[in-house]
Amino acid sequence: DTGVSQDPRHKITKRGQNVTFRCDPISEHNRLYWYRQTLGQGPEFLTYFQNEAQLEKSRLLSDRFSAERPKGSFSTLEIQRTEQGDSAMYLCASSLGSGGTSPLHFGNGTRLTVT
Amino acid sequence: GENVEQHPSTLSVQEGDSAVIKCTYSDSASNYFPWYKQELGKRPQLIIDIRSNVGEKKDQRIAVTLNKTAKHFSLHITETQPEDSAVYFCAPYNFNKFYFGSGTKLNVKP
Repeated sequence: DTGVSQDPRHKITKRGQNVTFRCDPISEHNRLYWYRQTLGQGPEFLTYFQNEAQLEKSRLLSDRFSAERPKGSFSTLEIQRTEQGDSAMYLCASSLGSGGTSPLHFGNGTRLTVT
Repeated sequence: GENVEQHPSTLSVQEGDSAVIKCTYSDSASNYFPWYKQELGKRPQLIIDIRSNVGEKKDQRIAVTLNKTAKHFSLHITETQPEDSAVYFCAPYNFNKFYFGSGTKLNVKP
């Protein structure tokens, strides 16, 4: 078990640019979640996958955000036309099973700063 | 969606004292109740969890109690140590998602 890995750890970009983050979950985990965390707040749900299928996306999520999980392995989160309000820590987490009683295992996150 | 509230938002205790953090949730369909610890600059990590058919669970100095009728669950830490200082999040689960509270910052003074 090598844990959940995320790349890059930090990303600084200018407003209006596109960015893409990658997440590699624990290999046997079939569920993958993306969360966003701002300073002093708890993680906020963005989207999740069951294998390769994206089953839900937060209604609060702008159309500028898109996520994929080809072949049910790694996942990417893309933000188009970044805004300063997108600055946050983007956390990926994976879990085993679909019954809901398996905890989330988080990666170290990607910290995005939009200037 | 789920409405999750944690109290208190900050908690300061003397080393060796006990700490209790309460989490209330709104959706009675929630069926799994984990607690996460997040140290500064690090990832959230699971410290204890409880399922809906259990009222209490203990793991050494940490325990969780669940009251499904009242829709709240609590984290109990006994004999606190400075390394317990962190932010703690509850995250009740329902409809395939974990809903995180806003966190409780615990400071254990040596």
